[in-house]
Order: sequence, then C-alpha cells, then structure tokens
Amino acid sequence: AQKVTQAQTEISVVEKEDVTLDCVYETRDTTYYLFWYKQPPSGELVFLIRRNSFDEQNEISGRYSWNFQKSTSSFNFTITASQVVDSAVYFCALSERDNFNKFYFGSGTKLNVKP
Amino acid sequence: SQTIHQWPATLVQPVGSPLSLECTVEGTSNPNLYWYRQAAGRGLQLLFYSVGIGQISSEVPQNLSASRPQDRQFILSSKKLLLSDSGFYLCAWGQGTEAFFGQGTRLTVV
Repeated sequence: AQKVTQAQTEISVVEKEDVTLDCVYETRDTTYYLFWYKQPPSGELVFLIRRNSFDEQNEISGRYSWNFQKSTSSFNFTITASQVVDSAVYFCALSERDNFNKFYFGSGTKLNVKP
Repeated sequence: SQTIHQWPATLVQPVGSPLSLECTVEGTSNPNLYWYRQAAGRGLQLLFYSVGIGQISSEVPQNLSASRPQDRQFILSSKKLLLSDSGFYLCAWGQGTEAFFGQGTRLTVV
C-alpha cells in the first residue's frame, strides 16, 4: 500500500536558520515519483520539485535542496538560511506508475519562520 | 497554456443543504481530473478521479459524489451536507507525470 509520512507536524525556526523537513514513503512499485509542494496561507499548492524513482541525485535550487535516499525510503527537504516568506505548510507526495497523476500526500509540515 | 478554474473560492452552507463545486480546465484535452479534500489540520486526501467523460473512481466512502459531464469539467456534489464535510477542496488535472492544482474552495458547513 502507498503511504507518505511527514512526522513533523509543525516546526518553528528563527530567520536565517537551516531547517529540514522529513518525508518517508512506502510503495511496492519500482517506478514512482516523489514531489514536494508548498501551501501558503492562501491555500493553493505551489509545485517545488518532482523526482523519479530512478534518479537518486540530490538537487539544489537556490536555498532549497532535496535528499532522496531509496535505501531509507526518504525524500527530505532542506531550506538553507530560512526567510519569513518560507512560512507555509509543506507537503510531500507520491505517485505511482499505474496513475502518475494520482497523488498520495503526507499530512504536511507547518513551517513557521520567525523574524 | 493550460489553466484550471475552480469556484467558488469560499462557501458557507448549512447542514443538510446541497453542494455543487465546479472545476474546469482550459488548454488541454482529455485530462485526468481529481478532487482532493484537506480537513482542518490534516493532509490532502484524494476523493475522486476521472480518466474520461462519465468515468469516476471513488477513493474513499463518503457523503459526496462527483461527475464529469464534459471532457474538461469536473463537479463535486452532495445532496445533504454534513458538518464533517467542512474543509478545503482542491481540484487538479494531470498530464504525464505532473498534476496542476486549482485555487481551492474553502467550505464551511454550519
């Protein structure tokens, strides 16, 4: 069965601190995609990254970086030098080969960045 | 370019009243369409998905139903709302390995 776990319900940091959001997934499929989305207070989902199961290279985009480790079924997200604008709920999600658009979301991690 | 429209943005409805939320997609044909719900303080749960006109798959038993009367139109309905139907509803469409989400409808059942 598919499952995405984000154990951190809420994290509070002070601006300029680094923060890592954890994501652990379960799937029986060998072909799958992992995603991170940001949900600001307005509610819409902002796409951050997609990773396929065959690409374990870590990725960096500005202050954002992602660590994908199949051995531990984890896809963690790190924000370096956090800013107040990073405050939001962050969702990790999984999709599988039978229907790539059908997402299984984690419960989300609410990040509070204080000035 | 493709866009997704979802309305209304907010809705307050009394218990027992009907519901109709509409979602339309522009700029693409035969998209996969999805309805997700986010209950207060919880994650996003897939409610329904559709791979074509009249084809609806339900992920969880509930008080809601979905319909796809046209290729790019997806409707979420209820005959009688319950308090537990309150939440944030997101429509999405998919193509390839990507999904694109609407702006959402915040439904409060009172």
